[in-house]
Amino acid sequence: EAAVTQSPRNKVTVTGGNVTLSCRQTNSHNYMYWYRQDTGHGLRLIHYSYGAGNLQIGDVPDGYKATRTTQEDFFLLLELASPSQTSLYFCASSAGQKNTGQLYFGEGSKLTVL
Amino acid sequence: AQKVTQTQTSISVMEKTTVTMDCVYETQDSSYFLFWYKQTASGEIVFLIRQDSYKKENATVGHYSLNFQKPKSSIGLIITATQIEDSAVYFCAMRENNYAQGLTFGLGTRVSVFP
Repeated sequence: EAAVTQSPRNKVTVTGGNVTLSCRQTNSHNYMYWYRQDTGHGLRLIHYSYGAGNLQIGDVPDGYKATRTTQEDFFLLLELASPSQTSLYFCASSAGQKNTGQLYFGEGSKLTVL
Repeated sequence: AQKVTQTQTSISVMEKTTVTMDCVYETQDSSYFLFWYKQTASGEIVFLIRQDSYKKENATVGHYSLNFQKPKSSIGLIITATQIEDSAVYFCAMRENNYAQGLTFGLGTRVSVFP
């Protein structure tokens, strides 16, 4: 069974604060993704990565940085958090073409920016 | 432009009946993959079933089945013999040729199953 673990599960910060969301997968997948989920917008892709050291821009990247330090670990960074970034964040991994691109999701990280 | 559209915001059904959800998609690719995911009340997102565009047979897994109508760019999800635990939000998603870019999701359909 694929395993994707996110931390923290809940985070409250203030406007202008610095936040790092962590994701670790033990699936030996090459591809990792960060999505945000908002009512009325569904799941939207922020950043993704092909492998360690690689970073690709998704559909809603503004205000976010990401870093893939190893095959297992993918981080999402909010350096100057804003209330508009209050959301539920999901990390996902995929073996890419090897499994037709199916995503395996983490449990989600709820971020509140006051 | 939205590539995956789920027009039904919510559906309520009685337990042990059948529920059908609609999804239409847009793509220029000749080969693509369509997925359905379920998000439970706890927020967990779980893969349910997949349809490969080149396959004519509708996929079936347990009490989930798909109604794939390629000429209409439509992929409906059918849940038979619904249970209370099927209450969730169901997302349709598509993967085009560039598999590295992940999936494009619809906005979801909330299903409520009542006893």
